[in-house]
Amino acid sequence: DTEVTQTPKHLVMGMTNKKSLKCEQHMGHRAMYWYKQKAKKPPELMFVYSYEKLSINESVPSRFSPECPNSSLLNLHLHALQPEDSALYLCASSHLPPGLAGYDEQYFGPGTRLTVT
Amino acid sequence: SQQGEEDPQALSIQEGENATMNCSYKTSINNLQWYRQNSGRGLVHLILIRSNEREKHSGRLRVTLDTSKKSSSLLITASRAADTASYFCATAPGFQKLVFGTGTRLLVSP
Repeated sequence: DTEVTQTPKHLVMGMTNKKSLKCEQHMGHRAMYWYKQKAKKPPELMFVYSYEKLSINESVPSRFSPECPNSSLLNLHLHALQPEDSALYLCASSHLPPGLAGYDEQYFGPGTRLTVT
Repeated sequence: SQQGEEDPQALSIQEGENATMNCSYKTSINNLQWYRQNSGRGLVHLILIRSNEREKHSGRLRVTLDTSKKSSSLLITASRAADTASYFCATAPGFQKLVFGTGTRLLVSP
């Protein structure tokens, strides 16, 4: 299984809602990532989990809260989002976490298209 | 500013032609990666080239890396309509944050 799955595919939420995005991989990868991608822009790294521990947080607002319950699962909890947070949220995984050799090749999920109203 | 700048921003060719896109970056790197993204979907890894490599091939893809010029190029030979996508380079400046380039939108017409 070389797939990264993400649910839901689409999500519409109000600014007062609480929702969660889910990501799963069964490749035994030890690093997982959350990216945010606005239309016609490149993905921007949000969080990196290495061996189930948060290793990189790219100054993401606290209304985004990541969680890694186990080595196969990654969640992104959303609360009190703003309309400008509407974007495609991509999850990825890699065999090894980033280190001295740089970043390993990443496997991406199809993304969750989030709209905040 | 973004680590990777790509050009051209958009490229339109006919099937069977070659497509070349370029990526420039600013600081030292361990490796440089190329990804493809079909419209509104996840990215697919194409090639990883290490800083001590100059050229790498994978099927119809050829990637070059010139660390003295801090640049890389991706060549797609004998392009097909299915190659229509956005292509991004990705590097990690300072080995901390993987940063994607601005991307090249490739359109291959039948």
